[in-house]
Amino acid sequence: DTAVSQTPKYLVTQMGNDKSIKCEQNLGHDTMYWYKQDSKKFLKIMFSYNNKELIINETVPNRFSPKSPDKAHLNLHINSLELGDSAVYFCASSPFSRSSYEQYFGPGTRLTVT
Amino acid sequence: DAKTTQPTSMDCAEGRAANLPCNHSTISGNEYVYWYRQIHSQGPQYIIHGLKNNETNEMASLIITEDRKSSTLILPHATLRDTAVYYCIVREGRGGGTSYGKLTFGQGTILTVHP
Repeated sequence: DTAVSQTPKYLVTQMGNDKSIKCEQNLGHDTMYWYKQDSKKFLKIMFSYNNKELIINETVPNRFSPKSPDKAHLNLHINSLELGDSAVYFCASSPFSRSSYEQYFGPGTRLTVT
Repeated sequence: DAKTTQPTSMDCAEGRAANLPCNHSTISGNEYVYWYRQIHSQGPQYIIHGLKNNETNEMASLIITEDRKSSTLILPHATLRDTAVYYCIVREGRGGGTSYGKLTFGQGTILTVHP
């Protein structure tokens, strides 16, 4: 049973293209996140959604647009891809409650922009 | 969120305890200490968290000093599968609060378990 799944696992594309990465969680969680891990392995949060509402946007370029059709899905659409967008993107989810502590991460999507 | 400092890398023999230190001297009263790890090419995995008491679960133990300025993650019997990057994160409160669950990852400690 996959808790947090992402598609595709690998994505190779050219500069200037538009692409999407999908994320789904079957844990019944209210909150979902997108993180970016660059070539130096630093892992940084990009967005957080709670029950389809954006609650964290960490100064990410406007070319990145998250979309949450329902609370089990948080997709990431990227316009006009640039070389610097090459990274591994991780989706995560957690319950939104005062007793929640852990986040569950997906397997990652390795994006390569050429 | 308070800043954390961890050694860049550590080695451990298989079957021995791995003790991973973390300094968080600027931690505030409502901040928790979390530990996550990332095995190569996988997403980060939650290990354990604590506020001020020592904690233990099926994966590890967390020892927090009385002044809360540092902590140690203990893997009691390290295996080769424990080779990973271990992240110590200090974060306000629980799921809510102004940080809304945001995790700020540092460089972490690369733990290598060898036979």
